[in-house]
Amino acid sequence: ILNVEQSPQSLHVQEGDSTNFTCSFPSSNFYALHWYRWETAKSPEALFVMTLNGDEKKKGRISATLNTKEGYSYLYIKGSQPEDSATYLCAPMEGATNKLIFGTGTLLAVQP
Amino acid sequence: ETGVTQSPTHLIKTRGQQVTLRCSSQSGHNTVSWYQQALGQGPQFIFQYYREEENGRGNFPPRFSGLQFPNYSSELNVNALELDDSALYLCASSSQGVWYGYTFGSGTRLTVV
Repeated sequence: ILNVEQSPQSLHVQEGDSTNFTCSFPSSNFYALHWYRWETAKSPEALFVMTLNGDEKKKGRISATLNTKEGYSYLYIKGSQPEDSATYLCAPMEGATNKLIFGTGTLLAVQP
Repeated sequence: ETGVTQSPTHLIKTRGQQVTLRCSSQSGHNTVSWYQQALGQGPQFIFQYYREEENGRGNFPPRFSGLQFPNYSSELNVNALELDDSALYLCASSSQGVWYGYTFGSGTRLTVV
């Protein structure tokens, strides 16, 4: 059973600030790592799926890195905008069942 | 692509009753998963269906059951509702490859009173 921790729980930043979040998980039985963005009253939206140690992914101003040996992933947002305000969830995937084990998320609020 | 559609969006039930939640998968996706998000927690895996067969189950009692139909739509059934079943229920569809992420619906908010 994986125990996924995300930090910080919440973050308030000003427009233009850069920010980063952490996702920690046990490195055993790891298969893939998903990141999702979840805006209020909408559906969770897939940002990245990463599988290899050292993986780096980028989508516009958002990027993520993965360290499977030590069991963590970082999500970076460069130059935060109000539309980035959302909850960011990470979810390692168990290899045997393909089920996602979600953390409790980081709530980001970007003030204009 | 129409995305994942869930119905109903909100539901109030009485303890002991039974409920059925529905999910229409994204076109081309043959795998559907159900998640429960209780207040203050991340989504918890309930079960997954692939081509109409359950192929993974989380730590939920047997009164949580499901179906996947030939068109890959799905139902989640919960019998003998308890107050703790009050939560947001999310459906997610995917193709069996794991590289592209899951497409989630916006969920059904179930309140048990």
